[in-house]
Amino acid sequence: GQQVMQIPQYQHVQEGEDFTTYCNSSTTLSNIQWYKQRPGGHPVFLIQLVKSGEVKKQKRLTFQFGEAKKNSSLHITATQTTDVGTYFCAGDRGSTLGRLYFGRGTQLTVWP
Amino acid sequence: NAGVTQTPKFQVLKTGQSMTLQCAQDMNHNSMYWYRQDPGMGLRLIYYSASEGTTDKGEVPNGYNVSRLNKREFSLRLESAAPSQTSVYFCASSDPTGGYEQYFGPGTRLTVT
Repeated sequence: GQQVMQIPQYQHVQEGEDFTTYCNSSTTLSNIQWYKQRPGGHPVFLIQLVKSGEVKKQKRLTFQFGEAKKNSSLHITATQTTDVGTYFCAGDRGSTLGRLYFGRGTQLTVWP
Repeated sequence: NAGVTQTPKFQVLKTGQSMTLQCAQDMNHNSMYWYRQDPGMGLRLIYYSASEGTTDKGEVPNGYNVSRLNKREFSLRLESAAPSQTSVYFCASSDPTGGYEQYFGPGTRLTVT
C-alpha cells in the first residue's frame, strides 16, 4: 500500500499566491527528500531533511520535517510561473539499499 | 559528466512483443533504480539494485525483469508487453555516501498497443 501520502494532488494558484504541499508517512523516516518535476521532464532533487523539526529554506521555498519524523511540508511564498510542475516528497526508511518511498506528488499550476 | 542516460526515448510496441530499456550512469553510484510513472500515481518502484550483481523487487515488479550488467548499467526487460505497461519509465541512481539523493534519467515513453 501507499507508504507515503501526499496532499493535495492538484493545486491551482494565481501568481503571487502561496502554495503548500504536505507529506505524511505511516512509519518514522530517517530522512525525507523533495523533488521537482517540470512538465515533460524528469524529477530533480531539491533538498533533504534529516533532523527532527528541521526547517530549511531555498529562496521562496521552505521545507519542514516534523518532530516525529513522520511528516513534512513544502511551502512556496509568492509563487511564480517558473514554479509550475509536480512536487514529490520521498521518504527514506533507513535502508542501506537507498530505497525511497515516493508520495504521489502535488501538481502545481500557476496562473499569470 | 552525462549523469544518467536512458535509451530509447520513445518506443511503441505491440502486445506480446519484448524489449529492453537501457540505463547507464557515469557517477560511480552503487545503487540504481527503475520506476514507472502513470498519471496520478506518482513514481512507483519496479526494481532496484544496491550493487553490481544484486537486484531486489520494488512495488510493481510483475511483468518485468532486470539485469545489473556492471556498476554503470542497469537494464529493464519486458518479456511480453501488455497495454497496462504503457507508461513513462525512469531510471535513477544514488550513492549512499552522498545521502541517497537520486539522480534521474530523462525517461522512456513506452506505448503498448
